[in-house]
Amino acid sequence: QSALTQPASVSGSPGQSITISCTGTSNDIGNYNLVSWYQQRPGKAPQLILHEGSKRPSGVSNRFSGSKSGTTASLTISGLQAEDEADYYCCSYAGSSTWVFGGGTSLTVL
Amino acid sequence: EVQLVESGGGLVQPGGSLRLSCVASGFTFSSYEMNWVRQAPGKGLEWISYITNSGSGTFYADSVKGRFTISRDNAKNSLFLQMNSLRAEDTAIYYCAREDSIMDYWGHGILVTVSS
Repeated sequence: QSALTQPASVSGSPGQSITISCTGTSNDIGNYNLVSWYQQRPGKAPQLILHEGSKRPSGVSNRFSGSKSGTTASLTISGLQAEDEADYYCCSYAGSSTWVFGGGTSLTVL
Repeated sequence: EVQLVESGGGLVQPGGSLRLSCVASGFTFSSYEMNWVRQAPGKGLEWISYITNSGSGTFYADSVKGRFTISRDNAKNSLFLQMNSLRAEDTAIYYCAREDSIMDYWGHGILVTVSS
């Protein structure tokens, strides 16, 4: 049950694109197509922004996109906006009804 | 509208016990699996427990196995987490989360502080 690996922080200017990586193992990301991404603003609960790697729930901006290759998943935010400043967490199913999260990435919009 | 509301948190001494509740509304609670996820102050998210929709199956993270017990009462649309032998490192905000292949809806969270 080791945490997935994410960069601690990323930053970008308004209008730019950024990508957050999430590296796991063959026991989680590499074995299941059940990677989800959450956005968490200060003092708030996490909110689902992507699931099954690249699917967006209703109401989530199409500026958020995702992909997966092997044991690494990625979240890309295009056309950065000030409101995107938040913490982002990846999460993967790890078998036997267990889940594992990444350590979280703090996004700063410069 | 899906809503999950946690309660039962607070300050407890090391070695003590606490029972968290999560009341669900806006969906057919008995049709969904549920999870508890926690977040220590300033730290990341940690999955800690899962329960099947009927309550017949439960799973735990190693960090809480043997100390925490997840349960549910589908007649009352409620999820519970019994926490025993609490340690300082259990201090966190505890979230209940609905599972529909992924954890799609989360409660607002409830703070548990373990300190003497």
